[in-house]
Amino acid sequence: DTGVSQNPRHKITKRGQNVTFRCDPISEHNRLYWYRQTLGQGPEFLTYFQNEAQLEKSRLLSDRFSAERPKGSFSTLEIQRTEQGDSAMYLCASSQTSAGTNTQYFGPGTRLTVL
Amino acid sequence: KNQVEQSPQSLIILEGKNCTLQCNYTVSPFSNLRWYKQDTGRGPVSLTIMTFSENTKSNGRYTATLDADTKQSSLHITASQLSDSASYICVVSDNAGNNRKLIWGLGTSLAVNP
Repeated sequence: DTGVSQNPRHKITKRGQNVTFRCDPISEHNRLYWYRQTLGQGPEFLTYFQNEAQLEKSRLLSDRFSAERPKGSFSTLEIQRTEQGDSAMYLCASSQTSAGTNTQYFGPGTRLTVL
Repeated sequence: KNQVEQSPQSLIILEGKNCTLQCNYTVSPFSNLRWYKQDTGRGPVSLTIMTFSENTKSNGRYTATLDADTKQSSLHITASQLSDSASYICVVSDNAGNNRKLIWGLGTSLAVNP
C-alpha cells in the first residue's frame, strides 16, 4: 500500500497524559498536513510542512500541540497534557506541489479518546 | 466570510437509483472546488477537482458540475451502490497553489439501502 499511513489508528488515554501520533506520507510528496475532525464537522487545519519546514500553524494549535517532520519524510504530532476536548479524529494528508492541482491525499486518521 | 454550504444534510436512496448533491459557496477569490468521499472512520478520498474554467468532470459513476457564475456545484451519482454510503464533502480553495486555505462544507451523509 503506497498511500498515506497513520499510527496508531485508535488511542485511548487519560486526561493529563501525553500522546504522539505518526504519519507516513506518500513517498514523493513534499507537503504534509495535519487536520483535526470532530463528529459531523469537516476537517480543521492544524499545521503543514513543506519538506522539513513547518510553514504555518493554525490558532487551533495551542502550545500543548507540537508537530515535527525532522527529515522531510514522516511526521509526528504530539499533544501534551491532554484534555477531554482534544478527543477527535486526527487526519494527516500529503501532496506534491509540482503535481498541478496539489491534491491532498488523506490517511485513515487516528481517533483519540481522552477519558 | 468564505463559506461552503451543502444540501441536503442527509439523504437516503435505494440501490440503483441516481442522486444529486448540492454545494453553494461564497469563497472569493476562487481557485478550485473538490468533492471528497469520506467513509465512516476513514480519511477523505478525493473524487473530483475542478478549476474556474471547468464545467463538468466525471470519475466513473460520479459526475461533478461547476457554475462559477452562480457559485454552485453539484455531484451526481449514477446507479448507486451500497458502497456509495458515505459522507460527501465539498471543499473550496481560495488561494491558487496554496492548498492550506481550504474551506470545507459540512458534508451530505448518503445512505444507500438495498
